[in-house]
Amino acid sequence: KQEVTQIPAALSVPEGENLVLNCSFTDSAIYNLQWFRQDPGKGLTSLLLIQSSQREQTSGRLNASLDKSSGRSTLYIAASQPGDSATYLCACPNDYKLSFGAGTTVTVRA
Amino acid sequence: DAGVIQSPRHEVTEMGQEVTLRCKPISGHNSLFWYRQTMMRGLELLIYFNNNVPIDDSGMPEDRFSAKMPNASFSTLKIQPSEPRDSAVYFCASSFSTSGYTGELFFGEGSRLTVL
Repeated sequence: KQEVTQIPAALSVPEGENLVLNCSFTDSAIYNLQWFRQDPGKGLTSLLLIQSSQREQTSGRLNASLDKSSGRSTLYIAASQPGDSATYLCACPNDYKLSFGAGTTVTVRA
Repeated sequence: DAGVIQSPRHEVTEMGQEVTLRCKPISGHNSLFWYRQTMMRGLELLIYFNNNVPIDDSGMPEDRFSAKMPNASFSTLKIQPSEPRDSAVYFCASSFSTSGYTGELFFGEGSRLTVL
């Protein structure tokens, strides 16, 4: 069974600092890995999807890397803003089932 | 596309009442998932449909829960009778899956259920 871990559980940074969010998984035979953002009381918003054949994926200030051999993915958010405050979750599927991490709750202080 | 659409957004009901949650997946997606999210347990997969067929309902808590997908554009999750411990946010999500693997997953805004 795939186990997904996100450390730390919470993070607080001043505005402008770069964010580094970590995700580790136990089974390297993943098909893809997806990063989500969840705001309080809202659904999960897909941020980035990295296919297993890719090493990284970029969207604006967001960059996600994938290292299957070490079972790790990292989400980088450049020049953080208060609007980036949210919970970030990573997930990867074993066939159709996605295993989710518990998330990292980020607070960006103005 | 409007994304995954869920209704109602909020539901408050009394113990013993029937609750029906609805979901319209993204057009063209062939996989649909119902999840439940609580502070204690995080996200739990309740049931998975592929091409309108229930493939895995092992996450459905008990017989009080049932789900249907009569066509590619509509699914329901029913709880009868409801209990206070069913209070949670219920999410519907859809994706296009190939060769049994889930593609990018898109979530609805969720239905927040409170059972008194």
